[in-house]
Amino acid sequence: AQSVTQLDSQVPVFEEAPVELRCNYSSSVSVYLFWYVQYPNQGLQLLLKYLSGSTLVKGINGFEAEFNKSQTSFHLRKPSVHISDTAEYFCAVSDLNYGQNFVFGPGTRLSVLP
Amino acid sequence: KAGVTQTPRYLIKTRGQQVTLSCSPISGHRSVSWYQQTPGQGLQFLFEYFSETQRNKGNFPGRFSGRQFSNSRSEMNVSTLELGDSALYLCASSLIGGASANYGYTFGSGTRLTVV
Repeated sequence: AQSVTQLDSQVPVFEEAPVELRCNYSSSVSVYLFWYVQYPNQGLQLLLKYLSGSTLVKGINGFEAEFNKSQTSFHLRKPSVHISDTAEYFCAVSDLNYGQNFVFGPGTRLSVLP
Repeated sequence: KAGVTQTPRYLIKTRGQQVTLSCSPISGHRSVSWYQQTPGQGLQFLFEYFSETQRNKGNFPGRFSGRQFSNSRSEMNVSTLELGDSALYLCASSLIGGASANYGYTFGSGTRLTVV
């Protein structure tokens, strides 16, 4: 079964600094990869997704992620964060071979400091 | 267009009771999935319904059940509540769901269930 690892449970960063949130998944077979954001007391909002094609994926709010098949990683990056980016970020994988729904990582709490 | 609507937003129940949560998907979406979110276990898949049929099921006990109506609205039920069932329950809808995730999932804001 698939598993998703987000090594950093919390990432504090100063405003306007760059940030990278790491995500690794367990299998290199055909998968779809996603990043979701969750603001306090809200549901999950899709930031970006990788289905196929270019390994660099651009999403909303200035975020981007790079799919690396050999390292089974899908790290999320933003060159300059804002206070409003403070939230929980979840990496998720959908395994095409099993037709199952998402397996989510444990989440990374991004705190942007003034 | 309206998003995914979950009701109620907050709920407090006593151990041993049962509870029903509701999810109205985006108009035209036929797939509804349910997830449980807790601080200890994170986001875990409960089940998916498509065209009134349960298509996938996660690893939860039989106390957790669901159904989908002809208008795609879905309900989930938890019987004999335990303290560990306290969680945020999220519903997600998509056009067809399953492995065709390129259509994308839209999540509701969730129902926060507290069992005392």
